[in-house]
Amino acid sequence: DAKTTQPNSMESNEEEPVHLPCNHSTISGTDYIHWYRQLPSQGPEYVIHGLTSNVNNRMASLAIAEDRKSSTLILHRATLRDAAVYYCILYTGKLIFGQGTTLQVKP
Amino acid sequence: EAGVAQSPRYKIIEKRQSVAFWCNPISGHATLYWYQQILGQGPKLLIQFQNNGVVDDSQLPKDRFSAERLKGVDSTLKIQPAKLEDSAVYLCASSLGALLYGYTFGSGTRLTVV
Repeated sequence: DAKTTQPNSMESNEEEPVHLPCNHSTISGTDYIHWYRQLPSQGPEYVIHGLTSNVNNRMASLAIAEDRKSSTLILHRATLRDAAVYYCILYTGKLIFGQGTTLQVKP
Repeated sequence: EAGVAQSPRYKIIEKRQSVAFWCNPISGHATLYWYQQILGQGPKLLIQFQNNGVVDDSQLPKDRFSAERLKGVDSTLKIQPAKLEDSAVYLCASSLGALLYGYTFGSGTRLTVV
């Protein structure tokens, strides 16, 4: 399965933007980049996905590098409710989760 | 729309006992998944159904785990007999079309084997 590399943890201040990085140097041309997040005591929640172009939705933005070997999930204004584990996944027909990045948001 | 329903929310059993978890996916979602999440790790896919057929069960420990999805709607995951290392959260997810719409997960069943 295609691998992604994410930092174990990150911190952010409330109401500031957050950039969560993900490296996927072995990505193939047909792999979609998916992001999920998991709040405490809940199942994972779909955030956003993309293939080549940057994507925006009501939750976040996804910036994909031109060579597609890395991507960044952008939360435009972090709130305390955004504290969660964020997973970057290369979707190849099934969702294989790694360790993710634990985001802490400080008031 | 209603989400993915799972029950029970919590379960404590002794080792070597049996246990079953139930999942009702979002109406109309043909694909259903069961994941196991051990504390501190990401979810691990156990089995994937498309309607009532198994698409992928390569990670399911078939000597003790079984799953079924009769009539292509709700699903049951069973463990028999349970071991201590089965203590985990069991997550069910469903999808209308994973590539376009992603997966919707339930809140999971937390199993403790003592």
